[in-house]
Amino acid sequence: GAGVSQSPSNKVTEKGKDVELRCDPISGHTALYWYRQSLGQGLEFLIYFQGNSAPDKSGLPSDRFSAERTGGSVSTLTIQRTQQEDSAVYLCASSLGTYSPLHFGNGTRLTVT
Amino acid sequence: AQTVTQSQPEMSVQEAETVTLSCTYDTSESNYYLFWYKQPPSRQMILVIRQEAYKQQNATENRFSVNFQKAAKSFSLKISDSQLGDTAMYFCAFMNNYQLIWGAGTKLIIKP
Repeated sequence: GAGVSQSPSNKVTEKGKDVELRCDPISGHTALYWYRQSLGQGLEFLIYFQGNSAPDKSGLPSDRFSAERTGGSVSTLTIQRTQQEDSAVYLCASSLGTYSPLHFGNGTRLTVT
Repeated sequence: AQTVTQSQPEMSVQEAETVTLSCTYDTSESNYYLFWYKQPPSRQMILVIRQEAYKQQNATENRFSVNFQKAAKSFSLKISDSQLGDTAMYFCAFMNNYQLIWGAGTKLIIKP
């Protein structure tokens, strides 16, 4: 079956612009996660969805970052007024629920110039 | 606070050798899961193996096996007969409920 799909694969944007990153989870997966990974670094947790609600937004680095999930499926991560320090790979993952392994997409590489 | 420590930033071995990556964690929870993920240069995170804390038997997946020592809070990954395609970053992760705590990763290089 289809895995987790993220788009775009790569995004180059100018400082100050807004960007939207999309994640299509595996069908039937109720849990969805967003992570950020800087070059050569580990995973930084951003936000967790269970269904359409986000019980844990504790990792969002500032109010420029927001995310939503609709229909218990597609999720969008929005970064407003992008800064150069936002440059990273943004990874999305989904799972069947608690204690289930995460399945990751290929990520979106965001470059802010 | 729950933490995961991978003490080896980088390792390299010859093809066909066996290599062990270390991982220790700290938690007061009794019910949790542990995972190893690999991230090749293609950047997709791929599940290698998982272990339920309540199971004493060590998990195995083909050439990959773990040495799970619950009392010592240790969860090492052994790769037997290493292959060039095993070259990747390897991340150890601890899961309690929905929360995943990640180690910093070990870069593994398999040399021909």
